[in-house]
Amino acid sequence: EAGVTQFPSHSVIEKGQTVTLRCDPISGHDNLYWYRRVMGKEIKFLLHFVKESKQDESGMPNNRFLAERTGGTYSTLKVQPAELEDSGVYFCASSQGVGETQYFGPGTRLLVL
Amino acid sequence: GESVGLHLPTLSVQEGDNSIINCAYSNSASDYFIWYKQESGKGPQFIIDIRSNMDKRQGQRVTVLLNKTVKHLSLQIAATQPGDSAVYFCAETTGTYKYIFGTGTRLKVLA
Repeated sequence: EAGVTQFPSHSVIEKGQTVTLRCDPISGHDNLYWYRRVMGKEIKFLLHFVKESKQDESGMPNNRFLAERTGGTYSTLKVQPAELEDSGVYFCASSQGVGETQYFGPGTRLLVL
Repeated sequence: GESVGLHLPTLSVQEGDNSIINCAYSNSASDYFIWYKQESGKGPQFIIDIRSNMDKRQGQRVTVLLNKTVKHLSLQIAATQPGDSAVYFCAETTGTYKYIFGTGTRLKVLA
């Protein structure tokens, strides 16, 4: 069974540009989560989807971040415009049910210059 | 690497010895705890979990102990191998979806 996959693995962009990260959850997992770790900090929750619906986006830092999950399969996280402090590693995770173990993808390492 | 700037406590263990990694969690209402292993350039990999109605759970070469009285979680790795070298994170949740991660501990296995 394929695990959670994320694309791209790395992205280097300039401040003010737009970047879109993609996550493909484990097949059959309705629950999808985004987390990130910025330099020097812990991994922090961003938001949670159940199928195509956002259940909780309380961890999204500001309105420059937009997450979507059209069709309830893969998800995208767009940062527009990117700022220097957005640099970090963005992880996606999925689980079969809420409260069940979350399985993480390899992450996208974002560097904003 | 992605851990630069994150001042992780480090545990150095001789190959073949047992490792004990500790984690103090924050919320007394947390009822589900997970240990993840993260190797360089990869995402957190599930190792073992435990629910709050248990105080010990064993897997293959790993054991998790939970002490709710002092809000302490530990991961024991038996016969530590070079492939165990990684950063280990504990995570807690109150039975929901929002995991709260610890800062992590770097395990170095010495040959």
